[in-house]
Amino acid sequence: DAGVIQSPRHEVTEMGQEVTLRCKPISGHDYLFWYRQTMMRGLELLIYFNNNVPIDDSGMPEDRFSAKMPNASFSTLKIQPSEPRDSAVYFCASTLRPNYGYTFGSGTRLTVV
Amino acid sequence: DQQVKQNSPSLSVQEGRISILNCDYTNSMFDYFLWYKKYPAEGPTFLISISSIKDKNEDGRFTVFLNKSAKHLSLHIVPSQPGDSAVYFCAASANFGNEKLTFGTGTRLTIIP
Repeated sequence: DAGVIQSPRHEVTEMGQEVTLRCKPISGHDYLFWYRQTMMRGLELLIYFNNNVPIDDSGMPEDRFSAKMPNASFSTLKIQPSEPRDSAVYFCASTLRPNYGYTFGSGTRLTVV
Repeated sequence: DQQVKQNSPSLSVQEGRISILNCDYTNSMFDYFLWYKKYPAEGPTFLISISSIKDKNEDGRFTVFLNKSAKHLSLHIVPSQPGDSAVYFCAASANFGNEKLTFGTGTRLTIIP
């Protein structure tokens, strides 16, 4: 298995532009998580899905952020419009069951200028 | 509100000595705890876990200790090796790991040869 695949690895965009981050979880994993890593807050959970259904989106910062999981093998995190304070590393993770531990992707480093 | 706290942003230890990383939590519902290790440009990887029914769990050079009354856990690495240089995240969950993980801000460990 290739693990959790995230794309792009790096994204540089101008303030106000739409940004879409992509994630392919490990096949068979029922749970998918989107985290954001910052120096001040560490790894923050933004949203997670179980069987493609959003379960908890309480960590999504504001309406500019949205996430979808149209099928078991693909998820997107969209920021529209993007702002400089959104600059961070965004991680996707998946697991068969939460207490089995998560497998993380390599992350997308987003820079909004 | 940071429910999982790692108060030391960084730690330097001589090779061969013991590394001790600390973590405190505030949510009394947490009953399952994990440590993740993260190298630059990679996603975090699972290292070791402990359930609240135990106060110690050991895996090779890594031992996690849990003090429930103090809401404190620690990770001991003995002996420390250069490859242990990484950022270490403490994470906690409720319902014996069946709930979402809440992560701390991380501690950067540097092993000095």
